[in-house]
Amino acid sequence: EAEVAQSPRYKITEKSQAVAFWCDPISGHATLYWYRQILGQGPELLVQFQDESVVDDSQLPKDRFSAERLKGVDSTLKIQPAELGDSAMYLCASSQDRVYGGELFFGEGSRLTVL
Amino acid sequence: AQSVTQLDSQVPVFEEAPVELRCNYSSSVSVYLFWYVQYPNQGLQLLLKYLSGSTLVESINGFEAEFNKSQTSFHLRKPSVHISDTAEYFCAVSDPTTSGTYKYIFGTGTRLKVLA
Repeated sequence: EAEVAQSPRYKITEKSQAVAFWCDPISGHATLYWYRQILGQGPELLVQFQDESVVDDSQLPKDRFSAERLKGVDSTLKIQPAELGDSAMYLCASSQDRVYGGELFFGEGSRLTVL
Repeated sequence: AQSVTQLDSQVPVFEEAPVELRCNYSSSVSVYLFWYVQYPNQGLQLLLKYLSGSTLVESINGFEAEFNKSQTSFHLRKPSVHISDTAEYFCAVSDPTTSGTYKYIFGTGTRLKVLA
């Protein structure tokens, strides 16, 4: 069964360091999403790609976060410098999206702890 | 903009008892509704979805949800829960965007704890 792959599963870093997360969506899925989930809360959208283009990054803290999907396939989310408040689960999801009401398929997530 | 409200942050229930997890959304001309389940340290998995047609939708593991347009609700129910149903449940709505894609908005989640 096709899955969304994410790495690393766990990352511990010190504040002010750089950190990067990688996501490989299900083959053929044009839309890719990065969500941040703080413990005890629902996922919040950070950035949404349609192929290689960003369609929504309104909630991405652009002074420290960046995301790219250069060839419209896999994607990288970077944080530099990391802050204590960035500790969270970072979830990647993909969807066919051109299908009316298409569901999201999530990866296992990358849990970030900033010390 | 769409919003999703899950009023119950935690719901404890005894095994084999019925349960209802509540979800309300802000109104829209058209709406697509989802329930996702998240087990500890895992991503979210789709439980069931409403796109159109019958207002009652079911999952393969006994959950059901009913779309109620007049009350803007999409409550999740199960007549008899198992220990294995212990998880966090998220209600979500998808909203079409001006770019032709869909934006998914999640509620804050309800932690279901099934007690022996």
